[in-house]
Amino acid sequence: GAVVSQHPSRVICKSGTSVKIECRSLDFQATTMFWYRQFPKQSLMLMATSNEGSKATYEQGVEKDKFLINHASLTLSTLTVTSAHPEDSSFYICSAREETDLSYEQYFGPGTRLTVT
Amino acid sequence: KNQVEQSPQSLIILEGKNCTLQCNYTVSPFSNLRWYKQDTGRGPVSLTIMTFSENTKSNGRYTATLDADTKQSSLHITASQLSDSASYICVVSQSRNTPLVFGKGTRLSVIA
Repeated sequence: GAVVSQHPSRVICKSGTSVKIECRSLDFQATTMFWYRQFPKQSLMLMATSNEGSKATYEQGVEKDKFLINHASLTLSTLTVTSAHPEDSSFYICSAREETDLSYEQYFGPGTRLTVT
Repeated sequence: KNQVEQSPQSLIILEGKNCTLQCNYTVSPFSNLRWYKQDTGRGPVSLTIMTFSENTKSNGRYTATLDADTKQSSLHITASQLSDSASYICVVSQSRNTPLVFGKGTRLSVIA
């Protein structure tokens, strides 16, 4: 199946700093990518949907100025957590959608563990 | 409200045994239902995808069923292995233009 990569897999940063997470679709072009966060023992929560070349659509309760999303190409989306705080510590997972005329499939990245100290 | 409910919340079984996980959904409209396996600290990996017209689909030791009339699905794992220990998430898709609806998952532990 198609592969989605994330970098870094783990990151530790100090409170107040910014962290950028990259999401790449390796063998297909993704017009649409998704960013999720997951707290321990809970399911994935959608943060935002990004479409290549346009502004991301954020879910209710997600601060767009804190979680900056850029989808500059059909294979790359980035999530920047600005002025990170300990409560932003979480597991962030991206997903990329591969579409054809007849069907669509959504592939998930391996996740990025963010720890803010 | 579009919801996906999974049961049990957690399950412990002995290696080699079979188990069945349940998923009920109220999502409408319905496009397809997916089962994902998520290992701890990893992203979800797709096991099966079923559309409205499909009743069953297998992937190795994993067999998923779908009853679109009662809006129920199950995931049956045969001859469980220690590596099957993971969270299994039921996800329903309404259309290509709407977000996936996730269940909370069933945490399966397979012990020797």
